Amino acid sequence: EAQVTQNPRYLITVTGKKLTVTCSQNMNHEYMSWYRQDPGLGLRQIYYSMNVEVTDKGDVPEGYKVSRKEKRNFPLILESPSPNQTSLYFCASTSLDTQYFGPGTRLTVL
Amino acid sequence: QKEVEQDPGPLSVPEGAIVSLNCTYSNSAFQYFMWYRQYSRKGPELLMYTYSSGNKEDGRFTAQVDKSSKYISLFIRDSQPSDSATYLCAMSLSGGYQKVTFGTGTKLQVIP
Repeated sequence: EAQVTQNPRYLITVTGKKLTVTCSQNMNHEYMSWYRQDPGLGLRQIYYSMNVEVTDKGDVPEGYKVSRKEKRNFPLILESPSPNQTSLYFCASTSLDTQYFGPGTRLTVL
Repeated sequence: QKEVEQDPGPLSVPEGAIVSLNCTYSNSAFQYFMWYRQYSRKGPELLMYTYSSGNKEDGRFTAQVDKSSKYISLFIRDSQPSDSATYLCAMSLSGGYQKVTFGTGTKLQVIP
């Protein structure tokens, strides 16, 4: 079964405490992306990756880092989270005309 | 002005109606156009993926792109209560879902 998994699904943290949200796909897709979803602003792309070791910024990359050391994994790193990064985060995995999103990670930064 | 504009709704229709969902955009360089369905508390699900202008049909869903007017539409025929969700349009300059820009979504309710 095609699957994109994200962990954790819910996280409450404090300002400045580094965190990582993991994303993994089992479809051998080359493209992976991270988005955040906020009321009234919709989905906005944070970073995307076209293959292992190839990443590029989306529309809102400030305050985030990513890495793509293996094809299946694309973690999102917040080195020093701030309250304006409180949001719902989605990872997506893509190949040609198919795309699968993960279930989402709801992050609250206090 | 946002690059992609989408009426947030909500849009309420009776079961069996034809639904028309629309987006306008300002960047004429967009080449790839997508529609997603998102149920409450779930990730988006890709419904339609089209390149350039024209129509594409998949079951009860038809996607239409009019690049001259910078206008895209999604039609749902014989709408069902299970179609109740938020529908997101999205577009990108190049294929592969690089640099994708989303609309804010239209909430649809299909009333039995």
